[in-house]
Amino acid sequence: GQQVMQIPQYQHVQEGEDFTTYCNSSTTLSNIQWYKQRPGGHPVFLIQLVKSGEVKKQKRLTFQFGEAKKNSSLHITATQTTDVGTYFCAGPLYNFNKFYFGSGTKLNVKP
Amino acid sequence: DAGVTQSPTHLIKTRGQHVTLRCSPISGHKSVSWYQQVLGQGPQFIFQYYEKEERGRGNFPDRFSARQFPNYSSELNVNALLLGDSALYLCASSLRVGGNQPQHFGDGTRLSIL
Repeated sequence: GQQVMQIPQYQHVQEGEDFTTYCNSSTTLSNIQWYKQRPGGHPVFLIQLVKSGEVKKQKRLTFQFGEAKKNSSLHITATQTTDVGTYFCAGPLYNFNKFYFGSGTKLNVKP
Repeated sequence: DAGVTQSPTHLIKTRGQHVTLRCSPISGHKSVSWYQQVLGQGPQFIFQYYEKEERGRGNFPDRFSARQFPNYSSELNVNALLLGDSALYLCASSLRVGGNQPQHFGDGTRLSIL
């Protein structure tokens, strides 16, 4: 079945360092969404990518959707302690009415 | 505007019991989805409802059921509880049905099975 994998599982960085998480799907995705979940919180929608090769920026966050629409990445420049949390990618399954979340990348930022 | 609200926030049950979890979507949102999140993992899709009809179902046993009411609120029911059902149950609402809709999550119900 379709799988959405994320790497790395964990990332520990010093404040000010950059961070990247990668998302790979076994099948082509119609779109991909990114969510952030703070410790003890719920997932919060960050962004949606739809077009092949699309790049979107939100301040220090840069999101990319691969040309084949099977992979995506989230890059954070100059991390801050407020970036701590788990970042999930998510996309629709076969019939478009099911949502599959990746396993997530847990980011820890040391001040 | 109020976000997605879920009740109760915490629940402790024993094996074999049943549970009902409730969710009220953001005003104007007509679709509600339910997810199970086990500690350390991503949310696992259980159901999606739109206009009171089931529009999607994940790989969960028939012990899991749900419904959506005319006011778009929703209930998730789990029968014959197992230890493995211990998890955070998240409800998410979206404007419409479909995999291109951003999901807006509630704070969840933390269910513990003893």
